[in-house]
Amino acid sequence: RKEVEQDPGPFNVPEGATVAFNCTYSNSASQSFFWYRQDCRKEPKLLMSVYSSGNEDGRFTAQLNRASQYISLLIRDSKLSDSATYLCVLTGYSSASKIIFGSGTRLSIRP
Amino acid sequence: DVKVTQSSRYLVKRTGEKVFLECVQDMDHENMFWYRQDPGLGLRLIYFSYDVKMKEKGDIPEGYSVSREKKERFSLILESASTNQTSMYLCASTREVGQPQHFGDGTRLSIL
Repeated sequence: RKEVEQDPGPFNVPEGATVAFNCTYSNSASQSFFWYRQDCRKEPKLLMSVYSSGNEDGRFTAQLNRASQYISLLIRDSKLSDSATYLCVLTGYSSASKIIFGSGTRLSIRP
Repeated sequence: DVKVTQSSRYLVKRTGEKVFLECVQDMDHENMFWYRQDPGLGLRLIYFSYDVKMKEKGDIPEGYSVSREKKERFSLILESASTNQTSMYLCASTREVGQPQHFGDGTRLSIL
């Protein structure tokens, strides 16, 4: 089983829709979780950290489910500018080599 | 804001050449990383460094070496470039493991 799995998509949704995607992980010792977005031919940029209690930043909500070992990202009222690839990232505690990137979920918002 | 600067956005080299990719960060971060990103494979860690002169192999170190002589600079070296090293190379830094990484703009390297 891969350490991190994401549905590659593409998710193609109309502007204004709500969209959600998950990222499952296999190592229960993973400590920190993040969502990054990556635009075509650009570098990944931090979107938000994911906290155990769940957290929101404007239209974006991130949640962590340790029991089922997944994190999720929900985007409400999607905008054309949300079109990007969303990467989940996990880190262990002790070693920088345990930073694991998912392959990304591609999201396309249509007018 | 953290700034991670990679020396080139686009680079074209020939097989067999020795290639240097440079990365500089301005936030006094201890940890620096080199990744390559290929379609369908996501980001793969080549090498990382957790302090000056310290380095550790990542998942795909073969054909690469690194140098960290100063805290702010982390160089990736392709000893003898091959066509299968054509890729997007991304440098990143972070103060502590467990904190988010900050990425440079990336270098699109083509080996002909």
